[in-house]
Amino acid sequence: DADVTQTPRNRITKTGKRIMLECSQTKGHDRMYWYRQDPGLGLRLIYYSFDVKDINKGEISDGYSVSRQAQAKFSLSLESAIPNQTALYFCATSGGSQETQYFGPGTRLLVL
Amino acid sequence: AQSVTQLDSHVSVSEGTPVLLRCNYSSSYSPSLFWYVQHPNKGLQLLLKYTSAATLVKGINGFEAEFKKSETSFHLTKPSAHMSDAAEYFCVVSDGAAGGGNKLTFGTGTQLKVEL
Repeated sequence: DADVTQTPRNRITKTGKRIMLECSQTKGHDRMYWYRQDPGLGLRLIYYSFDVKDINKGEISDGYSVSRQAQAKFSLSLESAIPNQTALYFCATSGGSQETQYFGPGTRLLVL
Repeated sequence: AQSVTQLDSHVSVSEGTPVLLRCNYSSSYSPSLFWYVQHPNKGLQLLLKYTSAATLVKGINGFEAEFKKSETSFHLTKPSAHMSDAAEYFCVVSDGAAGGGNKLTFGTGTQLKVEL
């Protein structure tokens, strides 16, 4: 969905490096989410935010942190990347009471 | 707690034949259910959703799904497969606000292959 953008789209990094993945949305939604996708496991929730001052841990938050800089921006950081964080990362948004989430195109991350 | 089980990791059909992708769910609340599709190297696109209205839900590209509470199922169907339907499909459940805020739980995905 072009209304949700993620940068970078692909990234290769080394073990121990700090890396930030960014998400921006123009849908005017207040809720934003970060997921990771691994083959055969579907998508798993890392962190979610219902507004700028409300950040919540998801199912697999260890090793990750987030920042909600503005309503439209939600960043995911890996403070010290490790190889098992190699995955496809998706940002998503939803508005108010609507449950439908709209996904960005994904960031493919490889940690060597 | 909520969970989703997609009963087939891979499904292969011939073009023009029916598609059936199976999904069972578990939820402590009245769930909302979704099907998303992911084409290769693309993000996830919403196909359809069920939110306690009609039990037969019609989505995009000729897909539909039927919510069966007695069977806790939400199977996805299409009468006639097209080559462009080849993708990975995810069944998703949400407990909505009652479950703690619109968190989605994804199934592990079904890879649909469409052959000539």
